[in-house]
Amino acid sequence: DAGVTQSPTHLIKTRGQQVTLRCSPKSGHDTVSWYQQALGQGPQFIFQYYEEEERQRGNFPDRFSGHQYPNYSSELNVNALLLGDSALYLCASSLGMIEAFFGQGTRLTVV
Amino acid sequence: GENVEQHPSTLSVQEGDSAVIKCTYSDSASNYFPWYKQELGKRPQLIIDIRSNVGEKKDQRIAVTLNKTAKHFSLHITETQPEDSAVYFCAASRDTGGFKTIFGAGTRLFVKA
Repeated sequence: DAGVTQSPTHLIKTRGQQVTLRCSPKSGHDTVSWYQQALGQGPQFIFQYYEEEERQRGNFPDRFSGHQYPNYSSELNVNALLLGDSALYLCASSLGMIEAFFGQGTRLTVV
Repeated sequence: GENVEQHPSTLSVQEGDSAVIKCTYSDSASNYFPWYKQELGKRPQLIIDIRSNVGEKKDQRIAVTLNKTAKHFSLHITETQPEDSAVYFCAASRDTGGFKTIFGAGTRLFVKA
């Protein structure tokens, strides 16, 4: 079992560009949550996907959108990138309220 | 909105001593409280969790207590070791209408040998 896998591991983008981050959940998990972790801070909840629908959303603008596929994998899309979007983006998968397992994250740098 | 406050932000202890990290949450509907350990450059890893129908849970050197009335929960690490040095995050979550997890800002624990 590979656990939660994210791609890419690192990414550099220019302001105004768009980015897509990918996540494959742990085998048997059906729920995927995305978090943004700025340096020195705790993860901030972006949104959660279950049964291919956004079930919960945190305080993030509409520039942040996502998708979940029938195989439970998920994507996070960010449009019109800002310098402040530079962070570690973490994906976590879970089965209901069972403990969440995090991926290794994607380090996004916006220049 | 929902909020989780975590204290202290930094904690330095001598090897063998105990460490205590405290968190307070605002959403009274929260019913699941995980704790994560994050080492430098690595992913957060669940170390212990507690549900709202339990007041205390222990796993070897780690214990968590929950006071639902006060909306307060704590992590206790006994007999600390240098490898316990990391950032620890508390979190609060609820499963009504789809759950989302709110994290505290983290506590950087240094265990001095």
